[in-house]
Amino acid sequence: NAGVTQTPKFRILKIGQSMTLQCTQDMNHNYMYWYRQDPGMGLKLIYYSVGAGITDKGEVPNGYNVSRSTTEDFPLRLELAAPSQTSVYFCASSYSGARGTDTQYFGPGTRLTVL
Amino acid sequence: AQKITQTQPGMFVQEKEAVTLDCTYDTSDPSYGLFWYKQPSSGEMIFLIYQGSYDQQNATEGRYSLNFQKARKSANLVISASQLGDSAMYFCAMREGGTDKLIFGTGTRLQVFP
Repeated sequence: NAGVTQTPKFRILKIGQSMTLQCTQDMNHNYMYWYRQDPGMGLKLIYYSVGAGITDKGEVPNGYNVSRSTTEDFPLRLELAAPSQTSVYFCASSYSGARGTDTQYFGPGTRLTVL
Repeated sequence: AQKITQTQPGMFVQEKEAVTLDCTYDTSDPSYGLFWYKQPSSGEMIFLIYQGSYDQQNATEGRYSLNFQKARKSANLVISASQLGDSAMYFCAMREGGTDKLIFGTGTRLQVFP
């Protein structure tokens, strides 16, 4: 059982380039999330999704886009990379049902540097 | 607005001793959940323990326990019998009822020495 997987693990971008961070979960979780963690800080929510076809903004959505075409996948798109987007990106998933929402489980993270 | 505060940037503890990591929170919602995550130097986020606001008893998971004091709005993590492998960053997080978003504190770096 792989849980939440993220690719790539590391990436260096030049200013203005674009890229997609991939996230896949195999736990049949309906909720998925993207967070960023800046050095010495906690995680901040970028976007989240409560199911296929449904996404919503979190605390820091500017400069990012997401889509959720399947239950398993939740890619995060950076269109015009900026140095301020240098961070570690975490994808997470959880199950939400009649009894409320379960614990969020995290992927290993993607370390992104924008130069 | 909801907020999580971890006032200890760093803590030291000797192996086999117990240590308490502090976490206070602020919310006006009567329904909420509190989480602790461990982040070792390898970077992954590992779920440790959960406490619901309506839970009558403090949560425990092996060597981890959560000292939940609702009136004081605190949710301190207690690690008993510390091990060298416990050296890591520890994050407290809160989820308000009706949402599924986590708000994280800034973390506490715990170092366990022999």
